[in-house]
Amino acid sequence: GDSVTQMEGPVTLSEEAFLTINCTYTATGYPSLFWYVQYPGEGLQLLLKATKADDKGSNKGFEATYRKETTSFHLEKGSVQVSDSAVYFCALSEGEYGNKLVFGAGTILRVKS
Amino acid sequence: DGGITQSPKYLFRKEGQNVTLSCEQNLNHDAMYWYRQDPGQGLRLIYYSQIVNDFQKGDIAEGYSVSREKKESFPLTVTSAQKNPTAFYLCASSSPGGKNIQYFGAGTRLSVL
Repeated sequence: GDSVTQMEGPVTLSEEAFLTINCTYTATGYPSLFWYVQYPGEGLQLLLKATKADDKGSNKGFEATYRKETTSFHLEKGSVQVSDSAVYFCALSEGEYGNKLVFGAGTILRVKS
Repeated sequence: DGGITQSPKYLFRKEGQNVTLSCEQNLNHDAMYWYRQDPGQGLRLIYYSQIVNDFQKGDIAEGYSVSREKKESFPLTVTSAQKNPTAFYLCASSSPGGKNIQYFGAGTRLSVL
């Protein structure tokens, strides 16, 4: 079946550092790709998405590009803040209607001031 | 405010007991989902429902049951057959025209006494 692989964490950065969280996927079709963020003790919030190859999703300074040739959707941010500390999940849509999500294991990000 | 409400926030189960987690949404979404989150793992799909009075098993349905009698509500029962129920449970919903975006509740943390 479809699957998502994320880089293991935790990732620890200093404030204003550059962030990359790697995400690769395996899928039989052409899924939509998502990044969700989870703050401590909360549910998940959609951070950004891309629905087709070469699409770039962006939000709050984060961005990710749907790379079909490398089956990747890496998350990047040019300058992280302490408030970005959270768990980040990469996900893809699957199923007949594309409304089931397959999640990666999540990557913990810790940003130090 | 539109959203997804999960209750209770914390729940304790005695051995041999069934417990029910509540999930209500006022987003007018047709589809609803239940996920289980364990430390260091991604979200795993327990059950999902695409329409009222219909639901399907996800990847880890054993020991759980659901009902979907109303569009707004999708309660999850953790039965005594679930031998390792301690986890964080997340409910989500999505609409058919919503480009596969799922919206999440704040979660219920279930522990065994």
